Amino acid sequence: DAKTTQPNSMESNEEEPVHLPCNHSTISGTDYIHWYRQLPSQGPEYVIHGLTSNVNNRMASLAIAEDRKSSTLILHRATLRDAAVYYCILRVLNTGFQKLVFGTGTRLLVSP
Amino acid sequence: DAGVTQSPTHLIKTRGQQVTLRCSPKSGHDTVSWYQQALGQGPQFIFQYYEEEERQRGNFPDRFSGHQFPNYSSELNVNALLLGDSALYLCASSPTGTGDEKLFFGSGTQLSVL
Repeated sequence: DAKTTQPNSMESNEEEPVHLPCNHSTISGTDYIHWYRQLPSQGPEYVIHGLTSNVNNRMASLAIAEDRKSSTLILHRATLRDAAVYYCILRVLNTGFQKLVFGTGTRLLVSP
Repeated sequence: DAGVTQSPTHLIKTRGQQVTLRCSPKSGHDTVSWYQQALGQGPQFIFQYYEEEERQRGNFPDRFSGHQFPNYSSELNVNALLLGDSALYLCASSPTGTGDEKLFFGSGTQLSVL
């Protein structure tokens, strides 16, 4: 399974932008880059995903390096509710039935 | 839309016992996956069900088994419980399609084995 590398933790102040990095140097051409986050006492929640181009949605933006060996999740204005563990995952495709291979993620701490 | 629902939310068992966890997928979803999350770790894939059959399995022993019903709901069974089986068990559902669909997770069942 292709693996990702993320910092264990990051800190931010409320209303400031946050850039969460992820390295995935062994990514294959058909692997999608997915981000999920897990708030305390909840299951993981989908945030965003992309293949080659940068992506934006109401929650965040995803910036993908040109060689696809790294990506960055961008929270434009962090709030206290964004404090969570963020997982960068390569979506492993296998005959249409996929599994998510989670690492230990990045714990984001947001201070008021 | 109720999303993915799991029951029970918490469960305490003793070593050697058997346990059954239940999951109802999000409306319109026909594929259910189960994950185990140990404290401080990311979730680990157990197996995935589609059309009432196990389609893919992670590195878990045969003590872990499952079932999917015609209404797409699913059960996870664990036999001969070990202390190391204490974890949060997560159910995720998705529609079957091109393979890029996002997963929706339930809040999990916290299993404690004493």
